Order: sequence, then structure tokens, then C-alpha cells
Amino acid sequence: GAVVSQHPSRVICKSGTSVKIECRSLDFQATTMFWYRQFPKQSLMLMATSNEGSKATYEQGVEKDKFLINHASLTLSTLTVTSAHPEDSSFYICSAFMGDRGSRGYTFGSGTRLTVV
Amino acid sequence: KQEVTQIPAALSVPEGENLVLNCSFTDSAIYNLQWFRQDPGKGLTSLLLIQSSQREQTSGRLNASLDKSSGRSTLYIAASQPGDSATYLCAAGSGTYKYIFGTGTRLKVLA
Repeated sequence: GAVVSQHPSRVICKSGTSVKIECRSLDFQATTMFWYRQFPKQSLMLMATSNEGSKATYEQGVEKDKFLINHASLTLSTLTVTSAHPEDSSFYICSAFMGDRGSRGYTFGSGTRLTVV
Repeated sequence: KQEVTQIPAALSVPEGENLVLNCSFTDSAIYNLQWFRQDPGKGLTSLLLIQSSQREQTSGRLNASLDKSSGRSTLYIAASQPGDSATYLCAAGSGTYKYIFGTGTRLKVLA
């Protein structure tokens, strides 16, 4: 149980286009989801916190107009990289909070490798 | 602001060795601490989750300990195998349900 499905796993896009990444909780309702970014040989850095039905909270240094986050339902959060550039090439991964941080923690999607050419 | 550090950054050991990976965090007010494995180009695989009230968790050849007062966690891997080669990440769950990740330890187990 407690599976988060993330799609696509890999995407290559042209510079200037937009890319949408989806993160779905398959067997539970995720009131809060998190989006992380990982550059090569670096650790995961939190980009933003997505709350169902409200605006996302972005970490310092993350452009909210460039990385659009939508959490319209309890099972789906999307991250759209707008006007992508080569420097946006990275590994993006989502995480869902399972509503009981004391015992269940969080579950992560399998990640999306974005390459902007 | 929570900061999580992992030592060593890289480790290469012969097969069969027991090894310890270290994780330290600056803010002891954590909800839990989780250890993950990440294979090259892949997502995260959760290994062990330790609640803030727990001292350790075990799964097979893996044992993770947590000492909140000193801001430390260790991951012990017994009888290492080449298949254990991966990057190991610890993450502290602190503040508004966010996870702060460590810098990772790249492990290579030589056959």
C-alpha cells in the first residue's frame, strides 16, 4: 500500500517549451505533497510544498512563476516547468504525506528525469 | 534551519564487510528520520523509518539507530554485498511535514 505514481519517468523537451509532471497517490489521500529537485551528484532539495486546494509554498530561491504547482485533488499534484531551459535539466521527485507523520512517514514517487535541449 | 550532513561522502569496501554510515542533523526537534537508497538515475527506495520516540529499527541486514539528543543517526549494513552499491540518503522529517535530505553517501561494495 501507500504508493505514489509519478509520470513521466523521463522527458526530453526543447528549450522554451513547458513540461508537466504528475504525481498521484494511488491508495490514499495526500493532503500534502512535496516536490524535490536533484542535480547530478547532489542531494535532493525541497522546491515546494503543495497543499490540496490552496497555493503551494515555495522554498527560498525557487521561482514560483517558473515552477507551477497545482494540487487540485487529494490524489493528484502536478509540477509544470514553464519555458524550460537547459539549466532546468534535473531529476524531479515528489513525495506525499500520508496523514500520520508519527507512524507512516512519507512515500516517494519514482522520479522524473527532465532533459532540456 | 535544519541541516543534515552525511559522512563519509563516499565509501568503497570489499564484499562481506560490515559498515556504518553516519547522518547528523542540527535541529533535534524531528518527527522521524528515514534512510533511503538511490540507485543511479533512479528514484528513492525507503529502507528504514525511525520514529522520534524510537531508538532503532532493523530490517534484514540493515539496522538504523537514532539519538535525537546528539543529533545523530547511523545505518549499519552487515555482511555487505555488491548489490548494496548505491547512494544512501538520510532525511530528517522536521517542521510542517517537510523532509530535509542529507548529502548522501555513495557506497561501492567490491566483489
